Amino acid sequence: AQSVTQPDIHITVSEGASLELRCNYSYGATPYLFWYVQSPGQGLQLLLKYFSGDTLVQGIKGFEAEFKRSQSSFNLRKPSVHWSDAAEYFCAVASYTDYKLSFGAGTTVTVRA
Amino acid sequence: EAGVVQSPRYKIIEKKQPVAFWCNPISGHNTLYWYLQNLGQGPELLIRYENEEAVDDSQLPKDRFSAERLKGVDSTLKIQPAELGDSAVYLCASSLSRGGAVDTQYFGPGTRLTVL
Repeated sequence: AQSVTQPDIHITVSEGASLELRCNYSYGATPYLFWYVQSPGQGLQLLLKYFSGDTLVQGIKGFEAEFKRSQSSFNLRKPSVHWSDAAEYFCAVASYTDYKLSFGAGTTVTVRA
Repeated sequence: EAGVVQSPRYKIIEKKQPVAFWCNPISGHNTLYWYLQNLGQGPELLIRYENEEAVDDSQLPKDRFSAERLKGVDSTLKIQPAELGDSAVYLCASSLSRGGAVDTQYFGPGTRLTVL
């Protein structure tokens, strides 16, 4: 069964600074990888996904993520953070044969002025 | 386009009382999911429907939880009786195709349940 680890529970970043959120997955075959964002009182919104091809994936809101098979990682990055990026971020993994999304525990991002 | 709609948004009940959550998926989405999200954790799948058929309910605690999706559109998740440990956010999601992992799941805002 697949699983996801998000090592950072909480990250604080200054507005305008860069952001990187870590995600490590465990899965024997080629995974399908996702990053979702959850703002307070809101549902999860898909930021980006990786299925195959180019390992650098562009998403919405200026986010990107890079799939590194050798490190079993799918880290999320944003060059310049805006105050509206304060939210909880979830990494998730699924397989082609198992539709289930397995989520990490999430990373809470706080943006300071 | 309207997103996934859930109601109520918040619910507070006494333990041992019944409670029900309602979900209306995005129009045309034939796959519907119910997730449980405990505080500080990621969502965990409870049940998945393809149209009106529950194709995976292996994670649903059937002694107290039940769900239905009549006519393959709206869905209701019920807990009877509720326990203190059921306090959580219940999320509904839908996707266009038949539940393939490659399909994007669109989530509703969730129902936050507090059991006293």
